[in-house]
Amino acid sequence: AQKITQTQPGMFVQEKEAVTLDCTYDTSDPSYGLFWYKQPSSGEMIFLIYQGSYDQQNATEGRYSLNFQKARKSANLVISASQLGDSAMYFCAMRELLYNTDKLIFGTGTRLQVFP
Amino acid sequence: DVKVTQSSRYLVKRTGEKVFLECVQDMDHENMFWYRQDPGLGLRLIYFSYDVKMKEKGDIPEGYSVSREKKERFSLILESASTNQTSMYLCASTILAGVGDTQYFGPGTRLTVL
Repeated sequence: AQKITQTQPGMFVQEKEAVTLDCTYDTSDPSYGLFWYKQPSSGEMIFLIYQGSYDQQNATEGRYSLNFQKARKSANLVISASQLGDSAMYFCAMRELLYNTDKLIFGTGTRLQVFP
Repeated sequence: DVKVTQSSRYLVKRTGEKVFLECVQDMDHENMFWYRQDPGLGLRLIYFSYDVKMKEKGDIPEGYSVSREKKERFSLILESASTNQTSMYLCASTILAGVGDTQYFGPGTRLTVL
């Protein structure tokens, strides 16, 4: 079964608008971390934001925020005031602590295109 | 800033060739990783290493091997390249720490096997 599910292969948003990229996850580990990465066409994966399973508040980093709904096992990325430079692939990933491993499990990604 | 570099951005090899992909990180990180990325499949872990000379299989190790002789360097080896190994290969590193520490990625190597 997929541990990280990103159901939107592609999304379009107009410049200056907000956009939400969906991510749901599946784990029985009470301690886990959720990450979002951006991958521009250059190929490098850029870390955007992190949410811990025990964090009480939703994570925010500048224009990025994470809408964490633990009971629904969702960790959606919200980008406010989209810019043309936000056009990229976005990946949601999870690390579980239960197995004492540093492995990240990635979703299949969402391609975001920002238009003027 | 953490820097992870990979030896080549683009590589073209022939079927049956031995291929070396090199990754170097400059932040004294214990853990290093090799992923391959294919459209519609996301990133899949090939191998990882948590110390010099140590290695662990990831989810898709078949057809690959790795070498970590120095802490800063992690090499991925395709013993006999095949066309189904045409892919984007990403290296990453992280400190040996808690659940919240991110992995830092290199720029990737786009490998084509003809």
